Amino acid sequence: AQSVTQPDIHITVSEGASLELRCNYSYGATPYLFWYVQSPGQGLQLLLKYFSGDTLVQGIKGFEAEFKRSQSSFNLRKPSVHWSDAAEYFCAVGAMEGTGTASKLTFGTGTRLQVTL
Amino acid sequence: EPEVTQTPSHQVTQMGQEVILRCVPISNHLYFYWYRQILGQKVEFLVSFYNNEISEKSEIFDDQFSVERPDGSNFTLKIRSTKLEDSAMYFCASAYRGAVQPQHFGDGTRLSIL
Repeated sequence: AQSVTQPDIHITVSEGASLELRCNYSYGATPYLFWYVQSPGQGLQLLLKYFSGDTLVQGIKGFEAEFKRSQSSFNLRKPSVHWSDAAEYFCAVGAMEGTGTASKLTFGTGTRLQVTL
Repeated sequence: EPEVTQTPSHQVTQMGQEVILRCVPISNHLYFYWYRQILGQKVEFLVSFYNNEISEKSEIFDDQFSVERPDGSNFTLKIRSTKLEDSAMYFCASAYRGAVQPQHFGDGTRLSIL
């Protein structure tokens, strides 16, 4: 069974500082990995995804993530955080199924990011 | 950019009543999903739907739940005889293909059972 661990429940950073949110996954085959962001009262917005190829993926809003198979990790990074980045961030893993099969996402418990001015 | 839309945004229902949550997926998407998020907890998979049938369902998706795509645009989640523990945010998602495309989420329906 697939699983995702986000070890940091809550992180506080100063505006302009760098950010790294940790994500570890467990899946028997090559995973599809995602980062979503959820602002209060809002839905889940896709930040970036990893399917294959280059292990460093770029996303929206200046975020990037690096897939490290040896560490089963997919950490999210941003070089300079803005106050508007304050939100909850979810890492998710999807199974690699056949193209005719829907694939559920398994989410981590999320990391709440607080940005101080 | 196309969006997944969900209605209503907030539904308050008495325990034991039936509720239908509605979703309009992105128009050319083929795969549809429901997830739920109990307050303060992680997002949990409920069910996936493709080619007019359920592809997979979680242990949460028991006999009180059902899904339907009644026409070419809507995708609904019905909860029969609601319980207090059904109170949660319910998210609909859609994807163009299964695993190889990301799922796009709606803003959710907050369901409150009294």
